Amino acid sequence: QSVLTQPPSASGTPGQRVTISCSGSSSNIGSNTVNWYQQLPGTAPTLLIYTNTQRPSGVPDRFSGSRSGASASLAISGLQSEDEADYYCATWDDSLNGPVFGGGTKLTVL
Amino acid sequence: QVQLQESGPGLVKPSETLSLTCTVSGDSVSSGSYYWSWIRQPPGKGLEWIGFIYHSGSTNQNPSLKSRVTISVDTSKNQFSLKLRFVTAADTAVYYCARVFISGALHWFDPWGQGTLVTVSS
Repeated sequence: QSVLTQPPSASGTPGQRVTISCSGSSSNIGSNTVNWYQQLPGTAPTLLIYTNTQRPSGVPDRFSGSRSGASASLAISGLQSEDEADYYCATWDDSLNGPVFGGGTKLTVL
Repeated sequence: QVQLQESGPGLVKPSETLSLTCTVSGDSVSSGSYYWSWIRQPPGKGLEWIGFIYHSGSTNQNPSLKSRVTISVDTSKNQFSLKLRFVTAADTAVYYCARVFISGALHWFDPWGQGTLVTVSS
């Protein structure tokens, strides 16, 4: 049981916009910034979004993040086949005094 | 370009100690700007933070694993290591090392190593 709650799956067709949610509490998302990681099949996770909304160099602007209260969202616009991956939200948890991850969302491009 | 590479046995017997090393290139574990972390992922499951270490040797571990975990750093070799004692089948996972930026309420893992699968079995 993960501290952060994500839907186990999401899907969309090429060109569509999809959103993945991440729900937490006042001790984690409610008081700390959120990061998102992309894990392509058979590979290690990579940083996709940091500090709620920032994209590392090289990440397309099709990917965007937001945070409101104790929840966060990842939006992918202009969906492409290469976006098919697992997506994880993460943040700091003040009760744990360490990082926590969501359970991950498997994105399928139909 | 910063790169991290995990190394260590891929098979560990139950009740024994899992030992892994992460070799860092393109950055120094002594730099002071980052922490260095271990994260694991059981097959088909999500990510679990294990712990991290600063170049000074100060550490922070996941409370659920703290009693079994030791993380150390060797600045002369630009490496950091993980030891997990008394392993069981539940510790079977891909183990990743990663560089961590931490500043106040901000933190993120970047980059990650490619990961190494450790299976606990007799």
